[in-house]
Amino acid sequence: QVQLQESGPGLVKPSETLSLTCTVSGGYVNNYYWSWIRQPPGKGLEWIGYIYYSGSTTYNPSLKSRVTISLDTSKNQFSLKLSSVTAADTAVYYCARRTSNSASFPFDPWGQGTLVTVSS
Amino acid sequence: QSVLTQPPSVSGAPGQRVTISCTGSSSNIGTGYDVHWYQQLPGTAPKLLIYANTNRPSGVPDRFSGSKSGTSASLAITGLQAEDEADYYCQSYDNSLSGNWVFGGGTKLTVL
Repeated sequence: QVQLQESGPGLVKPSETLSLTCTVSGGYVNNYYWSWIRQPPGKGLEWIGYIYYSGSTTYNPSLKSRVTISLDTSKNQFSLKLSSVTAADTAVYYCARRTSNSASFPFDPWGQGTLVTVSS
Repeated sequence: QSVLTQPPSVSGAPGQRVTISCTGSSSNIGTGYDVHWYQQLPGTAPKLLIYANTNRPSGVPDRFSGSKSGTSASLAITGLQAEDEADYYCQSYDNSLSGNWVFGGGTKLTVL
């Protein structure tokens, strides 16, 4: 059974770059779509973007100018970089998988999430 | 403000039936894109509850069911149990500039 685990710094200073990694175990990153989703404290879910195993990416238009998602097939990992962060980027960040890019396929499974706080 | 609209909260007594609505528009649910539902228990990650409008993953009790009509979808929970107290989110695809994969704002279910 595929499991996802987020990792990275829990505290980032304003204007710096947030960097997170999602490690995939129990399966391979090939042939799937890998997403990042975030949830500010006490608020709802926001899709950030995804990467296909081929390396192609799609980002949320509201974050596109600041987001980069990359894939390392040799390590079975994918990563998120979010630049020029502010307090509004404080959130629990989740990684998740989709089996196909069709809208008929949900996000499943999800990682347990990691809290990133933006503060000086 | 979320692209998909859900009531902030619903409640029901144990054993009762509750429904949670998810209202979209012609650029998402109304176009025919499927709706998925997730359950988020306190302090945990969202978990897939219903996919493609009406389908339950293995392990999800048949007390949970989904439906979709026009620009809206609904999640129904029958035989409410204390363990159902959680946040519930709908999710679909939007073909406008709203951000592709979109979520509802979430609904807090309280079991009285």
